[in-house]
Amino acid sequence: EAGVAQSPRYKIIEKRQSVAFWCNPISGHATLYWYQQILGQGPKLLIQFQNNGVVDDSQLPKDRFSAERLKGVDSTLKIQPAKLEDSAVYLCASSLRPGPNTGELFFGEGSRLTVL
Amino acid sequence: GQQLNQSPQSMFIQEGEDVSMNCTSSSIFNTWLWYKQDPGEGPVLLIALYKAGELTSNGRLTAQFGITRKDSFLNISASIPSDVGIYFCAGQVKTSYDKVIFGPGTSLSVIP
Repeated sequence: EAGVAQSPRYKIIEKRQSVAFWCNPISGHATLYWYQQILGQGPKLLIQFQNNGVVDDSQLPKDRFSAERLKGVDSTLKIQPAKLEDSAVYLCASSLRPGPNTGELFFGEGSRLTVL
Repeated sequence: GQQLNQSPQSMFIQEGEDVSMNCTSSSIFNTWLWYKQDPGEGPVLLIALYKAGELTSNGRLTAQFGITRKDSFLNISASIPSDVGIYFCAGQVKTSYDKVIFGPGTSLSVIP
């Protein structure tokens, strides 16, 4: 079974530029998550999709970040314009379904963003 | 909002020693999870705990779901070099979509 695919693995941009990250979850997984992981910290949830609908984007900086999940499969996360503090690893994860006795998230390798 | 605290922040141990790390919160969680992250990789689930008081083992790993539902611990017995990494606890909140929140992590180094 193929895992969660993310691209690009690494991206370096100047501040105020834009960047986009792509994620393809495990086939059949209904829930998709984007987490931001700043160096030395735990992953912080940015946005959670259930199929192609957003169920939680409370910590997404909506003035500069946007995300979509078309057709309930793959997803893109965009940052425009980028700030220095956006330097982080952006992790995509998917899970089979929500509900009790779940919580097993499958993560991709992440996309490391450096903003200069 | 919900927040998780992990201790210790980092630890250095000799190969063969046992390891214990904790996760606490002021909030109640329905599920506790322990993940491990290797450098350059995403976190991988080690153990999931679904009931208060539950004690679960996975090889050399043992984890418990605290009775108050506000804490959990992870023990690693007879550590080996490949145990090196960052260990995250995570709590799943009972909502309509079951949000998963991660702690700040415990960094483990094993000295051969």
